[in-house]
Amino acid sequence: DSGVTQTPKHLITATGQRVTLRCSPRSGDLSVYWYQQSLDQGLQFLIQYYNGEERAKGNILERFSAQQFPDLHSELNLSSLELGDSALYFCASSTGQEDQPQHFGDGTRLSIL
Amino acid sequence: GQQVMQIPQYQHVQEGEDFTTYCNSSTTLSNIQWYKQRPGGHPVFLIQLVKSGEVKKQKRLTFQFGEAKKNSSLHITATQTTDVGTYFCAGLSGNTPLVFGKGTRLSVIA
Repeated sequence: DSGVTQTPKHLITATGQRVTLRCSPRSGDLSVYWYQQSLDQGLQFLIQYYNGEERAKGNILERFSAQQFPDLHSELNLSSLELGDSALYFCASSTGQEDQPQHFGDGTRLSIL
Repeated sequence: GQQVMQIPQYQHVQEGEDFTTYCNSSTTLSNIQWYKQRPGGHPVFLIQLVKSGEVKKQKRLTFQFGEAKKNSSLHITATQTTDVGTYFCAGLSGNTPLVFGKGTRLSVIA
């Protein structure tokens, strides 16, 4: 158990819809990272938050947004969903120092019909 | 931007054979981390290398960091079915977050 909790585990929705993925980091971790993993693809970094503030941005689409709340949990919002957004979305947390390991949650599998 | 390439993309081995995956960065790294993702699971941190030329071992796994700190390798001796999964390297350069390679998917045939 990594200590990182992601909900829901599975999400099935239709094109054009909007969904919210939730992540609770490990106790004591201040940084939260979001990744997208498509079939046979590596981990595409989307965005990082540290102690409530956006710290780094990766290949995140404008249709996607995220935030980290005062209690350090984070949400990833995906809107105007397209078939190509079907993927496994991972959240990871770390202490905040970039040279520290990241601890991944079990992921949310998003299926767009 | 920084890129991390991993080869091979896939590797099928007979149980008992050795396996190696290679990781190359377009920039000099301050450290490199390795993760393993079992089928249906999430990436799990294995190890971190920081020093030029560093070699670390975990049982049958040997990790190396190149002298120029731009490449790394993971070698597994005498693979077992429990080694099945995708192995990712992830490089850290400057203040940017870790950059993950696309991973090497290892299949072990019993």
